[in-house]
Amino acid sequence: AQKITQTQPGMFVQEKEAVTLDCTYDTSDPSYGLFWYKQPSSGEMIFLIYQGSYDQQNATEGRYSLNFQKARKSANLVISASQLGDSAMYFCAMRDGGSQGNLIFGKGTKLSVKP
Amino acid sequence: DAGVIQSPRHEVTEMGQEVTLRCKPISGHNSLFWYRQTMMRGLELLIYFNNNVPIDDSGMPEDRFSAKMPNASFSTLKIQPSEPRDSAVYFCASRPGQGLRTANEKLFFGSGTQLSVL
Repeated sequence: AQKITQTQPGMFVQEKEAVTLDCTYDTSDPSYGLFWYKQPSSGEMIFLIYQGSYDQQNATEGRYSLNFQKARKSANLVISASQLGDSAMYFCAMRDGGSQGNLIFGKGTKLSVKP
Repeated sequence: DAGVIQSPRHEVTEMGQEVTLRCKPISGHNSLFWYRQTMMRGLELLIYFNNNVPIDDSGMPEDRFSAKMPNASFSTLKIQPSEPRDSAVYFCASRPGQGLRTANEKLFFGSGTQLSVL
């Protein structure tokens, strides 16, 4: 069965520093996709970045990058140069080839950026 | 472009009352999903539709919950009768869904409905 694990309930980071949010996953399907979403206090779910299981390079989107280690089944989100507006919940999610479209979400990590 | 539109934004009701949550997916999207978010259980899939047909409703907690998608531009999630433990944020999401095995398609989420059952 699919599973997404985020082991950090909460994280603190100093403004302008980089932070890594952990995510491990489990699937038996060789074809899958990994997603990160941000949920600020206002509640909306904002897509950040995507990594496919067959992608050769780690995904990057602006200040967001995904440290994809396939053998370890980890897909950690790296946020560089943290900003106060990055304070939010961050969710890792996965879809594998057998899920027919559904995303399975981790429990999330609450990131707080300190000025 | 309009995103996924959910209504109402907030709903407060009394135990035993019927609650109807509404969702308009992004035009042209073929797949629609209903999620529930609580502190204890996180984001859980309740049901999803593909081309207006329910594909998987195994996440619907009980018979009190029902969902419909009468056409490509509208879906409802109904709880009857509602109970305090149904209090949560309910999200609707959609994706293009041009084929079932499109692993790279992100979900577009609505703003959610905050439901409080007293």
